Amino acid sequence: EDQVTQSPEALRLQEGESSSLNCSYTVSGLRGLFWYRQDPGKGPEFLFTLYSAGEEKEKERLKATLTKKESFLHITAPKPEDSATYLCAANAGNNRKLIWGLGTSLAVNP
Amino acid sequence: GAVVSQHPSRVICKSGTSVKIECRSLDFQATTMFWYRQFPKQSLMLMATSNEGSKATYEQGVEKDKFLINHASLTLSTLTVTSAHPEDSSFYICSASSGVNSPLHFGNGTRLTVT
Repeated sequence: EDQVTQSPEALRLQEGESSSLNCSYTVSGLRGLFWYRQDPGKGPEFLFTLYSAGEEKEKERLKATLTKKESFLHITAPKPEDSATYLCAANAGNNRKLIWGLGTSLAVNP
Repeated sequence: GAVVSQHPSRVICKSGTSVKIECRSLDFQATTMFWYRQFPKQSLMLMATSNEGSKATYEQGVEKDKFLINHASLTLSTLTVTSAHPEDSSFYICSASSGVNSPLHFGNGTRLTVT
């Protein structure tokens, strides 16, 4: 069964304290691994798409990496404004079949 | 680019009434849009796929007669919650993609409260 598991469920960091969020997936025929950021009461905001193992993408303090079994979202020197829930989703064939994780709730304290 | 607008952001209605939620792609055409429902602390749940010019495709367990979807144009899809009940209270989010190999972009969601 296709599945996406995110860990940890919640993470609290001090400003400037770098860390990584994990997204493990078991999906047959992966056609893209997506990372989104979701603020309370808002829709998810697209961050990255990764397609193949070894691929990396960066945006400001965020870097996403992909292996054959998992993806990491690295947050370097986070700021309070990085506080949000980070969601990952795997595309198992087409956009209709996005398999979503439950998210990691990140809180960055000033 | 790839902006999806959803309206209203919040709605409170009485039990038994119907509510319509609009989803628009502002700067691209979307032959397909998707409607999700999200409960607190839970993952996004796909409700249905909205296809321009044809009937929507509903996920298993989603009542098509309760959640009416109309994709009237390449930039507009609507979700109507008919005869709403308190258990329909939830966060509804639409999304669309500008192409087969493009990521989904989401609206800001609609918080529905049925009293």
